[in-house]
Amino acid sequence: SQQGEEDPQALSIQEGENATMNCSYKTSINNLQWYRQNSGRGLVHLILIRSNEREKHSGRLRVTLDTSKKSSSLLITASRAADTASYFCATDARSNFGNEKLTFGTGTRLTIIP
Amino acid sequence: EAGVTQFPSHSVIEKGQTVTLRCDPISGHDNLYWYRRVMGKEIKFLLHFVKESKQDESGMPNNRFLAERTGGTYSTLKVQPAELEDSGVYFCASSPGLLSGANVLTFGAGSRLTVL
Repeated sequence: SQQGEEDPQALSIQEGENATMNCSYKTSINNLQWYRQNSGRGLVHLILIRSNEREKHSGRLRVTLDTSKKSSSLLITASRAADTASYFCATDARSNFGNEKLTFGTGTRLTIIP
Repeated sequence: EAGVTQFPSHSVIEKGQTVTLRCDPISGHDNLYWYRRVMGKEIKFLLHFVKESKQDESGMPNNRFLAERTGGTYSTLKVQPAELEDSGVYFCASSPGLLSGANVLTFGAGSRLTVL
């Protein structure tokens, strides 16, 4: 079953504006991560937030986590053309095998208009 | 440090043919994962190796898919015979395992498979 689900599926904003993407998940988690994928490339890890954290910052990125609502948001401030990419949240819900696989959602396609 | 390398970057085959995808993880990473993304849908987990052992293959679609990781180094994912619904981008990722309680994956650029 799908664990992570990003919203919106696609987002277009003007350069310089802020972009907010949301992620919902279904099961209890230890950590939630955000990854970025540029077209034709692999996913790149952006930021990790632990289940006991509510907010985390890294440069122009701000991540929030609400474990009671099973949701997270990623805010990119002062967007740049280079931020155009797909963004995925990933959770590390423990499997029946006790491994540490990550479960990804469908992603949000972000387009920054110069 | 070299990243995760995948080959080929793109493969176009006829239905019924066989394709083998290869992944070279970061040296020293015991964990190797295969994922697949089909036509803009979610990135779905296929399987997980720890060294040469299959830790979890619960995401493998059917027995037409065979993954190996001989010697715990590179891994191959073979699709035989390929069907139309196998088209998609196959991602490989590796990690050293839990660091400070978190598993952060490093991905390859993916192998795009097109089955005609």
